[in-house]
Amino acid sequence: GAGVSQSPSNKVTEKGKDVELRCDPISGHTALYWYRQRLGQGLEFLIYFQGNSAPDKSGLPSDRFSAERTGESVSTLTIQRTQQEDSAVYLCASSAGGTTNEKLFFGSGTQLSVL
Amino acid sequence: GNSVTQMEGPVTLSEEAFLTINCTYTATGYPSLFWYVQYPGEGLQLLLKATKADDKGSNKGFEATYRKETTSFHLEKGSVQVSDSAVYFCALGGGADGLTFGKGTHLIIQP
Repeated sequence: GAGVSQSPSNKVTEKGKDVELRCDPISGHTALYWYRQRLGQGLEFLIYFQGNSAPDKSGLPSDRFSAERTGESVSTLTIQRTQQEDSAVYLCASSAGGTTNEKLFFGSGTQLSVL
Repeated sequence: GNSVTQMEGPVTLSEEAFLTINCTYTATGYPSLFWYVQYPGEGLQLLLKATKADDKGSNKGFEATYRKETTSFHLEKGSVQVSDSAVYFCALGGGADGLTFGKGTHLIIQP
């Protein structure tokens, strides 16, 4: 597609429920990133996919968080048993190349609210 | 590890004022440096970048110079406009986890 697409744009859920967030990167981009942006905070790295390599999961805050990517296309971020502190904007970004000095293209994010 | 420190906001200026948003970094090697901007209701987008020492990135009247001796990449604009109101993020490339972002600086320009 023309840009990075994320869905849903907004998600309201109850504490304890599971949620799944989707990211469609720009076609042909081999690198895909998930970040979390809490209100008034900076970007918190969550996970990084590069091609077919094993993802770097070092930023995932707990084992309730997991992410998958099918080849070099769609990625889903799953949060199980959501907690109120999970409320944030979840941002997906992709880049074309194989280095981490590349320009990132961001989606508009998913605003997650856990009640 | 890599880290980025930028001035905390909000920064409030009058239209046509001079802007500086400070950014300093800690890194190994020779990373690229970036400024991203997030306008209200929109996603982050690249504003400018510099790939090596003494390079100057520029876009939309904004400039930043990669200063290796002071490990800085301060963002400047000579005359800001109301439309520049946004959150600005300094970022550092080259890390194992992709870009390392600062916490962001909220800029408010008053007419």
